[in-house]
Amino acid sequence: DTEVTQTPKHLVMGMTNKKSLKCEQHMGHRAMYWYKQKAKKPPELMFVYSYEKLSINESVPSRFSPECPNSSLLNLHLHALQPEDSALYLCASSQGTGAVPNYGYTFGSGTRLTVV
Amino acid sequence: GNSVTQMEGPVTLSEEAFLTINCTYTATGYPSLFWYVQYPGEGLQLLLKATKADDKGSNKGFEATYRKETTSFHLEKGSVQVSDSAVYFCALSDRSNYQLIWGAGTKLIIKP
Repeated sequence: DTEVTQTPKHLVMGMTNKKSLKCEQHMGHRAMYWYKQKAKKPPELMFVYSYEKLSINESVPSRFSPECPNSSLLNLHLHALQPEDSALYLCASSQGTGAVPNYGYTFGSGTRLTVV
Repeated sequence: GNSVTQMEGPVTLSEEAFLTINCTYTATGYPSLFWYVQYPGEGLQLLLKATKADDKGSNKGFEATYRKETTSFHLEKGSVQVSDSAVYFCALSDRSNYQLIWGAGTKLIIKP
């Protein structure tokens, strides 16, 4: 299994909703990442987990809350989002620990989030 | 700080044309360099990589050589297909702040 699986693929939520994005990989990668990508832009790093511990938080607003229940799963809990948070949210994993991706990332297909 | 500069797009070519997408970088130390591709409506896929000077990464007919003397990592393909239409991102690994530094992306359009 050489994939990163993200669910759901599409999500529409209101500003008062609570929802979660899920990410799963079974490649034995010990570093996992959340990225946000706006249209026609490169991805922006949000969070890095290394060995299931949060190692980097790129000053992300608290309405985004990551969770790493085990080495294969990564969640992103969403609450009280704003319309400007609408974007493609990408999960990735890598062989390298920490966030030094010498071997590159494996990305999921993303969740396209629309906040209304 | 470290940075990556890509040629602006969109780049429009006819099928079977030769492709070059320029990428230059500024970095301290010895970063690894990557090309990622994003097909419409999808996530990013690692296309190729090079971890040291003079390394050549290759995949699916695409090639790029890590040129330290010119700080470049240009992407090339000898004969493009319509299915190569996508956005291509050049990136480097920044060991100083543990991140990937991304170029702005280049949209490639291949016409039949």
